[in-house]
Amino acid sequence: DTAVSQTPKYLVTQMGNDKSIKCEQNLGHDTMYWYKQDSKKFLKIMFSYNNKELIINETVPNRFSPKSPDKAHLNLHINSLELGDSAVYFCASSPQVNEKLFFGSGTQLSVL
Amino acid sequence: AQKVTQAQTEISVVEKEDVTLDCVYETRDTTYYLFWYKQPPSGELVFLIRRNSFDEQNEISGRYSWNFQKSTSSFNFTITASQVVDSAVYFCALGVFSGGYNKLIFGAGTRLAVHP
Repeated sequence: DTAVSQTPKYLVTQMGNDKSIKCEQNLGHDTMYWYKQDSKKFLKIMFSYNNKELIINETVPNRFSPKSPDKAHLNLHINSLELGDSAVYFCASSPQVNEKLFFGSGTQLSVL
Repeated sequence: AQKVTQAQTEISVVEKEDVTLDCVYETRDTTYYLFWYKQPPSGELVFLIRRNSFDEQNEISGRYSWNFQKSTSSFNFTITASQVVDSAVYFCALGVFSGGYNKLIFGAGTRLAVHP
């Protein structure tokens, strides 16, 4: 049973398209996150939700919109994709903030 | 400023050597948390350890050990008798309360290559 699962694993798309990445956790955690890992492996937080409420929004372009329909899901929708959006996006969850993060396996997004 | 510095970008060792990965952090918070994560070539992020700022005891887990020194704001990670399977990127991270919420700040990572 995968604790944090995100789909798709790979996403190749053209500039200007809109795409979504889905994330689900079956750990009963209250807090979920999206992180972006760039080509130099640098990991940066994008968003965090606690019990479906947005608590962190780290200067991310408003083309990125997270949606949390319930505590177990945090999806990421990206409008008007740009070349610079190419990266690996990781979903994660934790029981509470500042606790151990459980990461999904990542979604490699390539914008052509 | 809240920041994590992993000055070693890449380290290359031969199997069975001991290796230490450095991590220096900056924060003015008195309560904070420190983490290490491993990212093997397969890409997933694997949790290794979490320590809070009030617990300076060093920790050993098998071949892994961690040295937390508040006086130098460091949380170094040592692998004893390294193995090829230890080859990965290792991230140190700082958990702080900043801007009204808690968040995790990652270092840039250290790529460790262990050769047979």
